[in-house]
Amino acid sequence: DTGVSQDPRHKITKRGQNVTFRCDPISEHNRLYWYRQTLGQGPEFLTYFQNEAQLEKSRLLSDRFSAERPKGSFSTLEIQRTEQGDSAMYLCASSLATGGQETQYFGPGTRLLVL
Amino acid sequence: GDSVTQMEGPVTLSEEAFLTINCTYTATGYPSLFWYVQYPGEGLQLLLKATKADDKGSNKGFEATYRKETTSFHLEKGSVQVSDSAVYFCALRPSSGGYNKLIFGAGTRLAVHP
Repeated sequence: DTGVSQDPRHKITKRGQNVTFRCDPISEHNRLYWYRQTLGQGPEFLTYFQNEAQLEKSRLLSDRFSAERPKGSFSTLEIQRTEQGDSAMYLCASSLATGGQETQYFGPGTRLLVL
Repeated sequence: GDSVTQMEGPVTLSEEAFLTINCTYTATGYPSLFWYVQYPGEGLQLLLKATKADDKGSNKGFEATYRKETTSFHLEKGSVQVSDSAVYFCALRPSSGGYNKLIFGAGTRLAVHP
């Protein structure tokens, strides 16, 4: 079991640039989640996929954010026209839907710094 | 809406001391409750969970009991080690309306000194 992986681990960008993050879930997991964690706070839910379908999006996910999971395996999270307020840790998690008893397993995160 | 409140940190203890980190929640119905731990520079790791009232989750010497009557899920360990130094997050998964996401508390930093 290789766990959830994320790439890159760190990203520094200038305000106004676009960035894209990748998440590879645990191989048999059909659900994939994105969260954002700012310094000193707990993670906040952004969006989730069941297979390739994006089923829920938080109000935190502005129009500049887009997430995809094209083949129901890996997922990407893109932020367009980054702002300094986007600086945070972006966490990916995956789970296997088991009728209500599922557990989410988290990756190491991508830390974004917008200058 | 649903929410989780944790005691503020940092919590500073000497090795072998008893640990309690308080967690209370607000939710409708019967959410599932979790404790995750985040070591420096790493992602969140599931520590333990409980899915119904009076369940006790346990792992690596840590325990927490799901108390519906007090809406609490306090984390305890009888004898902490330096290696337990980390940030601990209490979380819930709602039982209805957006039940596929986790709602986290702000986290409690634990520092254990030799």
